[in-house]
Amino acid sequence: QSALTQPRSVSGSSGQSVTISCTGTNSDIGGYNYVSWYQQLPGEAPKLIIFDVNKRPSGVPDRFSGSKSGNTASLTISGLQADDEGDYYCCSFAGSHTHVVIGGGTKVTVL
Amino acid sequence: QVQLQESGPGLVKPSETLSLTCTVSGGSISHYYWSWIRQPPGKALEWMGYVYYSGSTNYNPSLKSRLTISVDVSKNQFSLKLRSVTAADTAVYYCAREGDFYGSGWFQYWGRGTLVNVSS
Repeated sequence: QSALTQPRSVSGSSGQSVTISCTGTNSDIGGYNYVSWYQQLPGEAPKLIIFDVNKRPSGVPDRFSGSKSGNTASLTISGLQADDEGDYYCCSFAGSHTHVVIGGGTKVTVL
Repeated sequence: QVQLQESGPGLVKPSETLSLTCTVSGGSISHYYWSWIRQPPGKALEWMGYVYYSGSTNYNPSLKSRLTISVDVSKNQFSLKLRSVTAADTAVYYCAREGDFYGSGWFQYWGRGTLVNVSS
């Protein structure tokens, strides 16, 4: 059982938007603005797409956006494309002792 | 561009020690936090622990009794040793570098991963 809770799967048609939720506690998501999101395409290593809740690394399209409210973080993918299909993981800083907690992953399917 | 490459045996026998090394190129190992993250087949990512370039460490409590992570600044490498392995330790093992100097828990650079099977 992962420390952060994500839906197992979400789906949407090409061009639509999907949002993935990530629920934690006051000790992780709710306590720090250090939420990150990773895209893992089939057979590949995870790739950072969002850090510090809503910042995008250079080269990541602005179709990917992040937000946070209380103990829940969200990743929205706008203008869904076929090559967005894969698994998405949320991660949060959780203090100096625990360091980080990671979600169970969400599979995104483009219909 | 920073690149990370995992290396080590792809097969380890139960009860033995799993040893992996991550070689960093394109940048110095200094001033950053370096982690090992694993992913059992078909399952989620699990953070295992980190080593700071100074040698200080922090481990996932679920692995702390079996895990040692160390750094060799002169070789720009860091390593993992996981003792007394079982089939449950079969996974793809990734090395990763955090994105800032403060250990904020986001991973900017990742290795390609190496599959380690635990089997007799």
